Amino acid sequence: DIVMTQSPDSLAVSLGERATINCKSSQSVLYSSNNKNYLAWYQQKPGQPPKLLIYWASTRESGVPDRFSGSGSETDFTLTISSLQAEDVAVYYCLQYHTIPRTFGQGTNVGVK
Amino acid sequence: QVQLQESGPGLVKPSETLSLTCTVSGGSISNFYWTWIRQSPGKGLEWIGYFHYSGSTDYNPSLKSRVTMSVDTSKNQFSLRLTSVTAADTAVYYCVKVGEGGHFDRWGQGTLVTVSS
Repeated sequence: DIVMTQSPDSLAVSLGERATINCKSSQSVLYSSNNKNYLAWYQQKPGQPPKLLIYWASTRESGVPDRFSGSGSETDFTLTISSLQAEDVAVYYCLQYHTIPRTFGQGTNVGVK
Repeated sequence: QVQLQESGPGLVKPSETLSLTCTVSGGSISNFYWTWIRQSPGKGLEWIGYFHYSGSTDYNPSLKSRVTMSVDTSKNQFSLRLTSVTAADTAVYYCVKVGEGGHFDRWGQGTLVTVSS
């Protein structure tokens, strides 16, 4: 199985400041045939299902604010919230959909400092 | 906009079978792949398997021997069966639509299933 490791496990950021979450996969999730990274990011608030933010590592889902951005390739990926808002307090997960079984990171808890 | 809603018993006895149904609205079940994912405090988010109305399936090897997914196209529903459950199967179960690229793009609200006698 591909192991997805997120860092840090939690972080606290002041409102308006940048938040950065890392996700490392134990194997590459890049398909050379189409040059796409099979990596997605999700946001989960208490009592709610995860919400898709980013797919193909850097493509923002429709309706997601542009303060959310994704980057990286092969095994190392980053989710950046450029200016943290109060409504961004949540747990964030990465997902690889390159290989069966699909696997998630353990989650990063983002709060306000 | 496709919406999903899970339904089924919230309490299952150990060694029995967990059965859940997902009702899809706002789109045809025949047009997409679907998946089940569960979330427990101990194991985080765990992918259970894929399903397509044609009968094509792909299950997590860790659960493969106990999982069956099926569809009822007349009701626009698909189902999950997990046999021989233990306390480790206690989790919130989500039914999820698979996007064209393979990512999971629309989630049901989830249903908590507790395994206990």
